[in-house]
Amino acid sequence: QSALTQPASVSGSRGQSITISCTGSSSDVGGYDYVSWYQQHPGKAPKLIISDVRNRPSGVSNRFSGSKSGNTASLTIAGLQAADEADYYCSSFTDNTTPVFGTGTTVTVL
Amino acid sequence: QVQLVESGGGLVKPGGSLRLSCAASGFIFSDYYMNWVRQAPGKGLEWLSYISDSGGTIYYADSVKGRFTTSRDNAKRSVYLHIHGLRAEDTAVYYCARGGGNSGTSFDYWGQGALVTVSS
Repeated sequence: QSALTQPASVSGSRGQSITISCTGSSSDVGGYDYVSWYQQHPGKAPKLIISDVRNRPSGVSNRFSGSKSGNTASLTIAGLQAADEADYYCSSFTDNTTPVFGTGTTVTVL
Repeated sequence: QVQLVESGGGLVKPGGSLRLSCAASGFIFSDYYMNWVRQAPGKGLEWLSYISDSGGTIYYADSVKGRFTTSRDNAKRSVYLHIHGLRAEDTAVYYCARGGGNSGTSFDYWGQGALVTVSS
């Protein structure tokens, strides 16, 4: 199972909104509403921020939102803050009944 | 609160074996699937394996099938990853993660990770 495709880096100014894409195929992202997103700060474990395409776990800021269209899922971060500077990974359930991660995106706050 | 604590990492020679453990607390362990995920230095996340709540179903990534073995002991609230025939490319931080979210397909809690270094 090949990794889902994410842009290597995305940047934005404080207060701006940015969107990170996660592109797969009909065998994963397009076939299931089981896309999740993770935030990882340097040296730390990943943290779940979006599950099942658009659900935010308790305690996660509502500045994070998820969506999906066809074979591409997206994570939008609104009102960008310095603390949002991190690596972001998507993952999806697949036809193989196993998950696959995206390639990861580094978010830089200018 | 939910806690996952990995142990068993360290420096291992190529060809060696290792058993990683993940001790869980703060939730009904036997109700949840558990996963292993690794991250090589400076690289992305790679899903390795999951084991069902009862331990009756186990899946592996193709890249580790045959060398990695996942098991669990619900009485000890622990999940394990046995790694055989270690290679330099197995050098990574290994995380255990709980299967969660409404669908159970996301990883809603993660341990702090255990570093495995394969080197002679």
